[in-house]
Amino acid sequence: GAVVSQHPSRVICKSGTSVKIECRSLDFQATTMFWYRQFPKQSLMLMATSNEGSKATYEQGVEKDKFLINHASLTLSTLTVTSAHPEDSSFYICSASSVGLAGVDEQFFGPGTRLTVL
Amino acid sequence: KQEVTQIPAALSVPEGENLVLNCSFTDSAIYNLQWFRQDPGKGLTSLLLIQSSQREQTSGRLNASLDKSSGRSTLYIAASQPGDSATYLCAVKGSGTYKYIFGTGTRLKVLA
Repeated sequence: GAVVSQHPSRVICKSGTSVKIECRSLDFQATTMFWYRQFPKQSLMLMATSNEGSKATYEQGVEKDKFLINHASLTLSTLTVTSAHPEDSSFYICSASSVGLAGVDEQFFGPGTRLTVL
Repeated sequence: KQEVTQIPAALSVPEGENLVLNCSFTDSAIYNLQWFRQDPGKGLTSLLLIQSSQREQTSGRLNASLDKSSGRSTLYIAASQPGDSATYLCAVKGSGTYKYIFGTGTRLKVLA
């Protein structure tokens, strides 16, 4: 149980285009999803927190107009990188929060999306 | 502001060796701490989760301990294998917050 998927796994796009990444919780409902960004050989940096039915909460320094987040249902959150530029090239990972069998709030991570902007 | 640090940043050991990875955090008011494994170009796999009220958790050859008062957690890997080679990340969730703050990671290489 507690599987999170991401689509696509890899995307290559031209500079100036927009890219949408989907994050789905497959076998549980997630009221909260998180979007992270990871540069090569670095740790994960939280970009924003996505709550179903409400606006996302962005971390300091993250442009909300550039990284649009929508959490339309309890199983789906999307991240759209608008007008992508080469510096947006990165590994984007989502996670979904769920209370597991032991009653513990735990995060489950998707496999990540590698974005390359040419 | 919570800061999470992992040492060493990289570690190379011969197969069969027991090893310890360290994670330290600056704010002891945590809800839980998770250890993850990340293979190159892949997502995260949860290894162990320790609640703030717990001292340790075990899964197979892995044992994670938590000393909240000193702001430390260790991940012990027994009888290491080449398949254990990966980056290990710890993440801390603070009390009263939904956020996980990730450590800097330890890149482990187990030599056959």
